[in-house]
This record gives sequence, structure tokens and C-alpha cells, in this order.
Amino acid sequence: GAVVSQHPSRVICKSGTSVKIECRSLDFQATTMFWYRQFPKQSLMLMATSNEGSKATYEQGVEKDKFLINHASLTLSTLTVTSAHPEDSSFYICSARDRVIGELFFGEGSRLTVL
Amino acid sequence: SQQGEEDPQALSIQEGENATMNCSYKTSINNLQWYRQNSGRGLVHLILIRSNEREKHSGRLRVTLDTSKKSSSLLITASRAADTASYFCATEASGTYKYIFGTGTRLKVLA
Repeated sequence: GAVVSQHPSRVICKSGTSVKIECRSLDFQATTMFWYRQFPKQSLMLMATSNEGSKATYEQGVEKDKFLINHASLTLSTLTVTSAHPEDSSFYICSARDRVIGELFFGEGSRLTVL
Repeated sequence: SQQGEEDPQALSIQEGENATMNCSYKTSINNLQWYRQNSGRGLVHLILIRSNEREKHSGRLRVTLDTSKKSSSLLITASRAADTASYFCATEASGTYKYIFGTGTRLKVLA
């Protein structure tokens, strides 16, 4: 089946640094990718919709200058957490929609810990 | 924002029993999907049900959809300890292409 790869799976950084998380669709093209964050024992919250070649659409309450999203190609979207702080520590999950069959596939997630 | 509410929030059953989880949503949808998540891991897709379908089966899973009540249920029959996980419904609202997740049900199956 289709695979979505996220990298890194775990990252620990110091407060104030920026962290980039990659989301790749390995065997299909994805015009649309989604970024979610998940706090412990909570559900997934949609942060933004990433469209190839255009600006991302952010959900209400999500700071676009804080969470920079770039969808440079049909197989890659990146989420950059800028000037990360401990409250940004979370599990970030991406999903990609196959442009041909429309099905949605999820990555394994990236756990960010900001010290 | 989350549009799905799931109940119960937590469910603890004995191995071999059936587990039922319910999901309610607020707007018209194109389809609804159920996912499983083991602690600290990614999501595993279980089943997709479209808005014009009422019931689907996959192995020990049975999903129903009632669009008039804006609700869905997931039934796991003959549960196993390995079914212990969190279960989420996700809805694709009509006119959009994004999936919004429900609050989730934490299922614990005791051996």
C-alpha cells in the first residue's frame, strides 16, 4: 500500500531553535497534504492544509508565522516550527492525499521535544 | 476545530467481548473513516464508509453510518488484547477535502 514517510521520527531541541519536519509520499503524488498535532492522550488537531505550489491554509488559532509549511513538490511537504518553545512539544503527524484515487494516508508521526 | 465527538472516552472490556464505539459529527460529510492508534505511534486506517453507505464490514470490524443522526459506530467483535489502542473517527465534510478527527476512544482489552 501507499506509504507516507515522516522524518525525523523524534527530535529534541533547545528552546529558541527552529525544527524542520519532512513529509514524503513515497509511491504516489499528493497535491494535498495535511499537518496535525497531537498532545498526549488527546485527538489529532488539524493545523493546516498544504497544497502543492501554493500557500498553505491554516486552521483558526494556528500561527502561520510560527508553523511554516512548504509544499514544494507533489511528494514533499515540510513543516518548520520556528523559534520552538517547550509548549510546542507535541506529536506532529502528516497525511497525504493520493491525487489519483483520493485516499488519505498517514505518516508515522514526529515527536518534538523542546527543552 | 474538532467536529467529532466520540463516546465512550474510555472502554475496558474482557478478551472475547465485543467493543462498541460511537462517533457523532456536526456537518454533512462525504465520508467517514475509522483509525486505530497504538500509544505514541502513527495511525492505522481501519475502514472507510461513504455517505451513501449504511454499513460496512471488514473482518471483526463492523461500521455503521446514520447520516440523519450524524453518527457512526464501530463494533469490534471477539476482542483481543492486541486490540488495545485508541480509536478515532475522522470525517471529510462536504465541500471540503480535509479530515477532522473525533475526540477518540481509548480501548483496553484485558486478557
